[in-house]
Amino acid sequence: EVQLVESGGVVVQPGGSLRLSCAASGFTFDDYAIHWVRQAPGKGLEWVSLISWDSGSTYYADSVKGRFTISRDNSKSSLFLQMNSLRAEDTALYYCAKDSEFRSDTAHFDSWGPGTLVTVSS
Amino acid sequence: SSELTQDPAVSVALGQTVRITCQGDSLRNYYASWYQQKPGQAPVLVIFGKNYRPSGIPDRFSVSNSGNTASLTITGAQAQDEADYYCNSRDSSGIQYVFGTGTKVTVL
Repeated sequence: EVQLVESGGVVVQPGGSLRLSCAASGFTFDDYAIHWVRQAPGKGLEWVSLISWDSGSTYYADSVKGRFTISRDNSKSSLFLQMNSLRAEDTALYYCAKDSEFRSDTAHFDSWGPGTLVTVSS
Repeated sequence: SSELTQDPAVSVALGQTVRITCQGDSLRNYYASWYQQKPGQAPVLVIFGKNYRPSGIPDRFSVSNSGNTASLTITGAQAQDEADYYCNSRDSSGIQYVFGTGTKVTVL
């Protein structure tokens, strides 16, 4: 069974930094691209970032470009999101989501974690 | 990045058919995927591409595509289909992704 579990969400002050993690199991982690998606309280889904299966490609939403960095450690089946210069508008539940295609990236996110809550507030 | 627009809310009588639309320029070049999200839960992929359903998703969910519009149809809506539905796709740049604004489906 595919499982994704996010961690690292806390309350942080504006301008601060945070590193989120996503632990994966139940599939061959290093064969799939992984995405970060966030959802502000009471709002819709927002795509944040993508990393390819081999870390060769990374992409970001304009809203986080230059502040967030996505990375992965295939030896530990883990995904990370380094978040710097945090703003109030970054407050959200952050999900990691597995892409459905083998060694490719698509808009088909076939498994999601339960999410971890990041609150940016003074 | 480009946008995907959905109607905020629709309602459907139990057992009837409801169509949810998603509009955006990027849909002229890319298929949409559709996700169901119930309160307090993570989204679930229900259909993607031309008309592919992941294992466990009932066949009352189907999609159609025309021009800049993708449509999700629930034929014979059930009480458990009451949820928020989001479309997503690559945006016009092809290297970013975008979600639709979401549609709340109420089953009466």
